[in-house]
Amino acid sequence: EVQLVQSGAEVKKPGATVKISCKVSGYTFTDYYMHWVQQAPGKGLEWMGLVDPEDGETIYAEKFQGRVTITADTSTDTAYMELSSLRSEDTAVYYCATGVGATYVRNYFDYWGQGTLVTVSS
Amino acid sequence: QSVLTQPPSVSGAPGQRVTISCTGSSSNIGAGYDVHWYQQLPGTAPKLLIYGNSNRPSGVPDRFSGSKSGTSASLAITGLQAEDEADYYCQSYDSSLSGSLYVFGTGTKVTVL
Repeated sequence: EVQLVQSGAEVKKPGATVKISCKVSGYTFTDYYMHWVQQAPGKGLEWMGLVDPEDGETIYAEKFQGRVTITADTSTDTAYMELSSLRSEDTAVYYCATGVGATYVRNYFDYWGQGTLVTVSS
Repeated sequence: QSVLTQPPSVSGAPGQRVTISCTGSSSNIGAGYDVHWYQQLPGTAPKLLIYGNSNRPSGVPDRFSGSKSGTSASLAITGLQAEDEADYYCQSYDSSLSGSLYVFGTGTKVTVL
């Protein structure tokens, strides 16, 4: 059974950095891209970026470029998403999601983590 | 910022058929990229519903179907059931360098009357 288990909720002050983990089991970690998706309260889904666990290559959405770092640790089958310079607008649930598809162009999000709520408040 | 447009809400009585549209542009759906659909029940993570425009993952009832034409796609739910009450999102790839390779729809809330 495929499982993506994320770390717990975080409360951060403006300007701080948060790092969320996503531990994978049930498939070969390096076989698929890992994506991160943001969902602000009552809002829709927004793609943040991806990592190819096989070689560590990353692609980020322009909106988050410069503030987000996505990594993959193949020794523990865990992906991480770090978001810096936090502001109130970053208060959201963050999901990791396995990208499946013949190429990254055809990727869709087959498996999802349970989500991690990050609250940014002074 | 969503570049795929969906109606904010649709509703139907149990047993009825509802459809959700997803309108894109020449840099995403119109460019031939696949459309995928997700169902998000209240308080839970999204779940893959349709991939590759019209394919259902194992375990998804055949009441759900997807189609694509031109710059738009649609999700149909036939024989609407109470458990179908959820938010639905379409998703595609975008080549416009608009800032995001993967774009989601604005989301549609389905209400079962």
